[in-house]
Amino acid sequence: DQQVKQNSPSLSVQEGRISILNCDYTNSMFDYFLWYKKYPAEGPTFLISISSIKDKNEDGRFTVFLNKSAKHLSLHIVPSQPGDSAVYFCAAMYQGAQKLVFGQGTRLTINP
Amino acid sequence: EAGVTQSPTHLIKTRGQQATLRCSPISGHTSVYWYQQALGLGLQFLLWYDEGEERNRGNFPPRFSGRQFPNYSSELNVNALELEDSALYLCASSLSLLGGRAKNIQYFGAGTRLSVL
Repeated sequence: DQQVKQNSPSLSVQEGRISILNCDYTNSMFDYFLWYKKYPAEGPTFLISISSIKDKNEDGRFTVFLNKSAKHLSLHIVPSQPGDSAVYFCAAMYQGAQKLVFGQGTRLTINP
Repeated sequence: EAGVTQSPTHLIKTRGQQATLRCSPISGHTSVYWYQQALGLGLQFLLWYDEGEERNRGNFPPRFSGRQFPNYSSELNVNALELEDSALYLCASSLSLLGGRAKNIQYFGAGTRLSVL
């Protein structure tokens, strides 16, 4: 029962262009969503989050969009930089459970 | 400021043995979480501790257990190891979520890679 899905295992983007990573969820109780970035041999690093009362949150080059009716969120990175090459995980949680439910991850490669 | 630290980095055990993994949270954080990332699978929630007590548990057998110490550090114990327990075990910490506090971001350590032979 995969409650959080990242359907693209990998994504390749040219440096300077926009990277768009997608995530779908099935549990309508989720009310908080996060994106993490993971480099090899390191733990996941928090990037950005969004509450279900919002539809957009921005932090520098990173913007997360939430479409509750479609149960879909996306992470936009613009402009993409070589250091953005990593595995990106989408995660969701709901109040009371306080546990993160992760997607399978998307490997983003930024090409020079 | 030090982040979440985990030890050991790597651990090799044989089937049937017990493994103990350790985690020190970020200073000021009282909530500690454990996750498992097995090969080809996503991160799966294992356990959540806060104020020394187990607060939530994922869908794992009882041979996965742990505890949280008065200084908020934590141990994860895996008894009667099986081959499929081979995985990366990640610890995360956050400010306390007890008392209705708004959601807090979980910060992760680099993990312990457990290999069961």
